[in-house]
Parts: sequence; structure tokens; C-alpha cells
Amino acid sequence: DVKVTQSSRYLVKRTGEKVFLECVQDMDHENMFWYRQDPGLGLRLIYFSYDVKMKEKGDIPEGYSVSREKKERFSLILESASTNQTSMYLCASSNDRGRGVRAFFGQGTRLTVV
Amino acid sequence: RKEVEQDPGPFNVPEGATVAFNCTYSNSASQSFFWYRQDCRKEPKLLMSVYSSGNEDGRFTAQLNRASQYISLLIRDSKLSDSATYLCVVNTGTASKLTFGTGTRLQVTL
Repeated sequence: DVKVTQSSRYLVKRTGEKVFLECVQDMDHENMFWYRQDPGLGLRLIYFSYDVKMKEKGDIPEGYSVSREKKERFSLILESASTNQTSMYLCASSNDRGRGVRAFFGQGTRLTVV
Repeated sequence: RKEVEQDPGPFNVPEGATVAFNCTYSNSASQSFFWYRQDCRKEPKLLMSVYSSGNEDGRFTAQLNRASQYISLLIRDSKLSDSATYLCVVNTGTASKLTFGTGTRLQVTL
């Protein structure tokens, strides 16, 4: 079974702090994604990566950066956390083999910025 | 216009009922389509892919209408355990990027 693991389930940070969210997958998937999920807005793509050291902006990249130094690990960085970044963050991975693209999600990190 | 649109619901149905959800997408170049299920406070999980010819998995039937740019999910003989949010997901083929609808909430009651 594919496993996508996020480093924390719950996180509380102060405004202005630098925050690192880590995600690791064990299925050698090429693609990795960071989404945030907010009530009424659904899942919105922040950044994605289709290879090591490659990254692409999603729909809402402002205030975030990412790092992918190894294939299995994709990190999301909040350079200076703000209260409007309080949200559920979901990491996913996928490959392009077979029919279509199937994504597997981590359990999510609920981040509160105070 | 949103790339993927769904009725948020909630749909409240009794056990045993048949319920259908629709989802529309705006990008005609979209290539792959999926339904994901998300339980409360859990991560989304793939329910089923949606193929052009339509496909069935037990009580669940998914259909795609490319001309009208919508996909549907039909659930027959609803169970209490079907209560969840159902997310419509579309891949436009851009580096495997998946775009999610906001989800339709289903509540199955006794």
C-alpha cells in the first residue's frame, strides 16, 4: 500500500515564524503536491513537483515556497506565517503510469497561526 | 468561473435510496476524471476513476459526458457508511495537476 506521511497532525505557530511542513512518500512517485483545504473553498493547489529539484506554482503560491531535494520528500515552507495561513494542509503523491493520474494523500496537517 | 463546480449539498437521503451527484468542468482539454471520497477530518481517498464509456463498481456508477463537460456519480442502495463528502477531480494533463471541486456532502439517515 502506498504511504504518504506528513510530519505533524497538528501544529500551532506564531505570526512571523518560519514554518516547515514535511511530506514523505514510499512509492517512488514522480509527482508530489501540496494543497490547502478550507471550508467552502475545497482543496486548492499551492505547489507541485514532477521531479527532484523541479517545482511549479499552483493556484495559490503566494506566501509559500517548496523544496524537493530527494524524490521521496517534498517540503512546504511558510516563510513568515500569517493568520490567514491557518488551514488544513494536505500532501499528495502520484505517478503517471496506467490510466490517468491517481493521487494518494497524507493524513493532513492542521496548522493554526496565532 | 471555477474550473470544477459541484453542488455543495448537503444531500440528506434515507438508507436504501438512490442518489446522484453531478460535477461540471470548464477546461475542454481535461483528460482524466475521478471521484474521491473524504470522511470528516480525514484525507481524500480515490473512490473511482471515470471512463468515457462509463463504469460501475458495485453500487457506484460513474459517467462522463465530454460534450456537455460534466461527470456524474450514482450511488444505489445507500448505506449509512456512504455518508461523506464526494469530491469531483479533473486532470487537465498539465504535469499531472489535479483540480478538485469543493465537494458534495452526503448524509445517509435511518
